[in-house]
Amino acid sequence: DSGVTQTPKHLITATGQRVTLRCSPRSGDLSVYWYQQSLDQGLQFLIQYYNGEERAKGNILERFSAQQFPDLHSELNLSSLELGDSALYFCASSQMDGRLTDTQYFGPGTRLTVL
Amino acid sequence: AQTVTQSQPEMSVQEAETVTLSCTYDTSESDYYLFWYKQPPSRQMILVIRQEAYKQQNATENRFSVNFQKAAKSFSLKISDSQLGDAAMYFCAYRSSSGGSNYKLTFGKGTLLTVNP
Repeated sequence: DSGVTQTPKHLITATGQRVTLRCSPRSGDLSVYWYQQSLDQGLQFLIQYYNGEERAKGNILERFSAQQFPDLHSELNLSSLELGDSALYFCASSQMDGRLTDTQYFGPGTRLTVL
Repeated sequence: AQTVTQSQPEMSVQEAETVTLSCTYDTSESDYYLFWYKQPPSRQMILVIRQEAYKQQNATENRFSVNFQKAAKSFSLKISDSQLGDAAMYFCAYRSSSGGSNYKLTFGKGTLLTVNP
């Protein structure tokens, strides 16, 4: 158990819908990262938040957005869903306290299926 | 942009034997971090081992060790005394150490390791 929690574990929805994925980081971790794992694209970085602020963006679609709340949990919002959005979405957290040895620990992931 | 290549989509090993998984990467940076993550059938991403580029000594974690060749940009993972529980997808990952906000992990496509009893 990494200490990172994600809910829900599975999500099945229809095209055009909107869903919210939730992540709670490890105790003491200030930074949250979202990754998408799909068969064709592999593991891709989507977005990073640090202490409530967006710090880096990767290959995140405009239909997707995220935020990190004052209690440090994060939500990833996916809207106007398409079949191709079906994937495993991981949240990871790290302390990002300036130490170069900062390591990301992953949650169990949310499996999204768009029908 | 950095890229990570795992040239072996699949590997197999007999229980108790040793196997080496390959990883190469491309970067123009001199300082960075490399990781091996394991993803078993449960899909959980588990950190196996980490290597700092500024350290010449290869990292070791119990039965797992790396062969880090900075000049060749190579970072292989050796698993000794393979166990059935080692069966998983293994991902090599790169992380910049340039600081700022550039802490994302760049992953390879993965190597599926099968352990035969």
